[in-house]
Amino acid sequence: EAGVAQSPRYKIIEKRQSVAFWCNPISGHATLYWYQQILGQGPKLLIQFQNNGVVDDSQLPKDRFSAERLKGVDSTLKIQPAKLEDSAVYLCASSLLGYEQYFGPGTRLTVT
Amino acid sequence: TQLLEQSPQFLSIQEGENLTVYCNSSSVFSSLQWYRQEPGEGPVLLVTVVTGGEVKKLKRLTFQFGDARKDSSLHITAAQTGDTGLYLCAGAFRGSQGNLIFGKGTKLSVKP
Repeated sequence: EAGVAQSPRYKIIEKRQSVAFWCNPISGHATLYWYQQILGQGPKLLIQFQNNGVVDDSQLPKDRFSAERLKGVDSTLKIQPAKLEDSAVYLCASSLLGYEQYFGPGTRLTVT
Repeated sequence: TQLLEQSPQFLSIQEGENLTVYCNSSSVFSSLQWYRQEPGEGPVLLVTVVTGGEVKKLKRLTFQFGDARKDSSLHITAAQTGDTGLYLCAGAFRGSQGNLIFGKGTKLSVKP
């Protein structure tokens, strides 16, 4: 079974620019998560989708971050405008039932 | 706010040694998971524990869930260089809708 796919794997942008990340979850997984992992930290949940609806976006900085999962399958996460402190790895995960989540390889974002 | 504390933060040992890492919280988990993350990759699920006092074994790895479901430990017997990585615990709390709270991780280095 194919795992969670993410692209791009790496991205370097200047502050105030915009960037978008893409995630394709494991087939059949209804729940999709976006996490931010800053160097030396554990992943922090940004947003959780159940099918195409948002379950939890309480930690998403909504003034600059947005995410969508229009058809309940793949998802995009956007940052506009980016700040230096947004430099991190952005992880996408999916789950079928319960709490077991399967992660993609992540996108490493560097904001200069 | 639920927090997970992991200890130690860093651990460097020789191949063949045993080690234990810990995960603690002041809140009760409904379930807890252990992940291993290698550089440039997303976390990979190792085990899920649900019942207080539960012990699970995965080859040389032994996972224990505390009786009160507030703590967990991961013990590795006869560590190998391939065990090197970041070990993350992640807890789900009652009513969290599948959201996981991650600890900061234990960075393990096993030297030949």
